[in-house]
Amino acid sequence: DAKTTQPPSMDCAEGRAANLPCNHSTISGNEYVYWYRQIHSQGPQYIIHGLKNNETNEMASLIITEDRKSSTLILPHATLRDTAVYYCIASLGSGNTGKLIFGQGTTLQVKP
Amino acid sequence: EPEVTQTPSHQVTQMGQEVILRCVPISNHLYFYWYRQILGQKVEFLVSFYNNEISEKSEIFDDQFSVERPDGSNFTLKIRSTKLEDSAMYFCASRDGPEAFFGQGTRLTVV
Repeated sequence: DAKTTQPPSMDCAEGRAANLPCNHSTISGNEYVYWYRQIHSQGPQYIIHGLKNNETNEMASLIITEDRKSSTLILPHATLRDTAVYYCIASLGSGNTGKLIFGQGTTLQVKP
Repeated sequence: EPEVTQTPSHQVTQMGQEVILRCVPISNHLYFYWYRQILGQKVEFLVSFYNNEISEKSEIFDDQFSVERPDGSNFTLKIRSTKLEDSAMYFCASRDGPEAFFGQGTRLTVV
C-alpha cells in the first residue's frame, strides 16, 4: 500500500469549508484513496473514497489530481462536530475489502 | 443504520491472564478485521478474516493472539497471556465493499 503524507494539524472556522490535503505520490494505478475520521477515541468512521474521478457524498467531496499523486478532502460547511483526526489511506484490496493502514492523520480543529 | 457491536466496552485484566474480546459484525458482511490503538498512537491493523480463515495478519499478531468466528454472528479476538503492552483500545470492523464499519471499541487495561 502506498504511503500517504498529511499535515499533522489544521484549524478551520465554523461554517467555512475545510480543505484537508493528502500526498500519495507513490500510489499505484489500482489503489483507491480512502478518507476516514476518528472523533475522540471512537471507532474510525468512513467518509468517502475514490480512484480517479472526483467524488461527492452527503458528508464531503474528494478531489483527486489528474496524476493521482495527491488529493483533497473538502468538508463544505464545517461544524464543531467535525473536529476529529482525519486519515487519508491508499489501499489495494480485492473488491475494496483489503486492510486499511492508518497513518498519523490530520487533527482538524473547528473553531467557533 | 447498521452497526458493529463490541463487548465489553472496558476490560481490566491481570498480566498473564487470557482475555476474549467480542464483536458482532454487520450481519451480511463477509470480511472482518481487528485493529488496536495504543493511547495517543495511531490505529494499527492486526488481522483480517474471510471465509472462516485468516486472510492477512500483521507482525503484531503473534502466537499470543487468535481469532475465531464461533457461530454465525460473533467474531472474537483472544489474547492468551496478556502483557502490560497489550493495553490499548481494540476495534473490530466489518465490510462487504468500500466502506468499513468500525465498532466503538473495547478498552483493554492490563495491570
